[in-house]
Amino acid sequence: NAGVTQTPKFRILKIGQSMTLQCAQDMNHNYMYWYRQDPGMGLKLIYYSVGAGITDKGEVPNGYNVSRSTTEDFPLRLELAAPSQTSVYFCASSYPGTSSTDTQYFGPGTRLTVL
Amino acid sequence: AQTVTQSQPEMSVQEAETVTLSCTYDTSENNYYLFWYKQPPSRQMILVIRQEAYKQQNATENRFSVNFQKAAKSFSLKISDSQLGDTAMYFCAFTDSGGSNYKLTFGKGTLLTVNP
Repeated sequence: NAGVTQTPKFRILKIGQSMTLQCAQDMNHNYMYWYRQDPGMGLKLIYYSVGAGITDKGEVPNGYNVSRSTTEDFPLRLELAAPSQTSVYFCASSYPGTSSTDTQYFGPGTRLTVL
Repeated sequence: AQTVTQSQPEMSVQEAETVTLSCTYDTSENNYYLFWYKQPPSRQMILVIRQEAYKQQNATENRFSVNFQKAAKSFSLKISDSQLGDTAMYFCAFTDSGGSNYKLTFGKGTLLTVNP
């Protein structure tokens, strides 16, 4: 299994541009999450999904959108990039109800810079 | 709302020695889970250890163990026989048993440096 994969690894955007951060998992996990990590800080939840077609806001959702059309994929969309969105973005997944019900597995992250 | 506090922004330890990282949390829940994640310079988030609040026995994973004090809402990580590869940022994290859809709340992290 590849686990949780994210693309791209790095990206530089200009203010006002849009982009989609891709996240995929091959563990058949129903829960998926997007976090951002600002310098010197812990991770903060942007959006999450408990299954295909179901998404909800986290702690810092402004400026982002998500969709979940399949179990495997959970893309994060930035519509009008702003410098405040410069951060490292992590996708994670989990499968509540199994023996490690609560453990989230993380992707390698995407470093985004908005200039 | 749950909060997680790591009061030690940075720590250092000599190779082969033991170090303890502190974490406190605040919650009104009775059932929950606690985690320590390691983030090396590669930025990958790696699960180190997890603890279920209803279990009184402290979790252990090889050189890593926790001291879970439920009444004090304390969850410290002990690393024995420290190795150079343990150099990383360590995050304490909390989730309840489903009421928040297993969302994780993270502390700000402790940067651990293991010196040769």
